[in-house]
Amino acid sequence: ETGVTQTPRHLVMGMTNKKSLKCEQHLGHNAMYWYKQSAKKPLELMFVYNFKEQTENNSVPSRFSPECPNSSHLFLHLHTLQPEDSALYLCASSQVLAGAHPGTDTQYFGPGTRLTVL
Amino acid sequence: AQTVTQSQPEMSVQEAETVTLSCTYDTSENNYYLFWYKQPPSRQMILVIRQEAYKQQNATENRFSVNFQKAAKSFSLKISDSQLGDTAMYFCAFMNTNAGKSTFGDGTTLTVKP
Repeated sequence: ETGVTQTPRHLVMGMTNKKSLKCEQHLGHNAMYWYKQSAKKPLELMFVYNFKEQTENNSVPSRFSPECPNSSHLFLHLHTLQPEDSALYLCASSQVLAGAHPGTDTQYFGPGTRLTVL
Repeated sequence: AQTVTQSQPEMSVQEAETVTLSCTYDTSENNYYLFWYKQPPSRQMILVIRQEAYKQQNATENRFSVNFQKAAKSFSLKISDSQLGDTAMYFCAFMNTNAGKSTFGDGTTLTVKP
């Protein structure tokens, strides 16, 4: 439907596991985002990358580690997670105009990865 | 800090009728953007409509329009001629231009009934 894909779509992991979420955008955008969507809570912005540089980290615990090797790919590395980290993790991308802040433009979302931490 | 409030957790509307989803926000900023996003069941979130705060004219996209009241810090979404495909969770979002931070509301689940 959109040009943003996420893998895997579903992930179940134990608290001692290490896993990674992958996001890829085919829209030629220069900014990418990770969001956490939990039941009965507002969507939470986790990380923002603009031209591969991390521009925002919203006090996310260090057990979440983002990586942006290029403007088309974004990873979220997970280790020693807690059950309360179970949520839908959404990736998004946008085209940021020169001089503007990421997020002022239209964001295109991926389908998300449904993560369950046992 | 910015806050976004969607006071209607759930709403329903008959097909072909009009429905209005409310959103209020709190900010001391003057330059910002407001968005409505739609997340259908098990499908990807997509942008419905976007409004720049400096524009007085209300944004419109086909059957979707907003009533932007800057002084009242209100940003409601009106859906005309509701269709079954409009069934989704709708999120109101605020973006502070200066700080580059996004804030989303809790969402409103809209059900369009045949």
